[in-house]
Amino acid sequence: EVQLVESGGGLVQPGGSLRLSCAASGFTFSNYWMHWVRQAPGKGLVWVSRLNNDGGSTSYSDSVKGRFTISRDNAKNMLYLQMSSLRVEDTAVYYCARDRGYSSPLDSWGQGTLVSVSS
Amino acid sequence: DIQMTQSPSSLSASVGDRVTITCRASQGISSYLNWYQQKPGKAPDLLIYAASSLQSGVPSRFSGSGSGTDFTLTISRLQPEDFATYYCQQSYSTPYSFGQGTKLEIK
Repeated sequence: EVQLVESGGGLVQPGGSLRLSCAASGFTFSNYWMHWVRQAPGKGLVWVSRLNNDGGSTSYSDSVKGRFTISRDNAKNMLYLQMSSLRVEDTAVYYCARDRGYSSPLDSWGQGTLVSVSS
Repeated sequence: DIQMTQSPSSLSASVGDRVTITCRASQGISSYLNWYQQKPGKAPDLLIYAASSLQSGVPSRFSGSGSGTDFTLTISRLQPEDFATYYCQQSYSTPYSFGQGTKLEIK
């Protein structure tokens, strides 16, 4: 069974940092591209970042570029999102999701982890 | 960047109804259009990919069509479990983008 389990969310002050993790199991992690998608309370889905299967190619939304870094450890089946210079507007549930690469859909998602940025 | 616009934003319907949700891309995206269903407090689930292909395990009452800039999601006979929020998403180019969502409510 495919499983994606996010962790690392919590309450952080504006300007602070946080690292999210996503543990993958039930599939060959190194074959899949991975994404982070977020959803502010009561709002819609917003794509955040993507990383290709070997970690060599990244993409970010303009709203997080320069502040967030996506990475992976294929030996540990782990995906990460290092978030810095956090803003109140970064408050959201963060989901990790996988795709097969090359414009494929996001076919499995984790349950999400909540990040709250507040003073 | 590609903008995705869904309509309507909300929709009231009854069990057994046929409903259609539309999604328009700000530029051509070929068939790189996906549809997701999200229920409150849950992660999204993939329903339709590549505009018209049904994801494994999804009931056949769901269907998708379109290419280029205009796409539709149709639910042929609404069931109680279909009341949820639906999102389109383009996977043509990054930054990948989602529509704003369509909340399907029981009439």
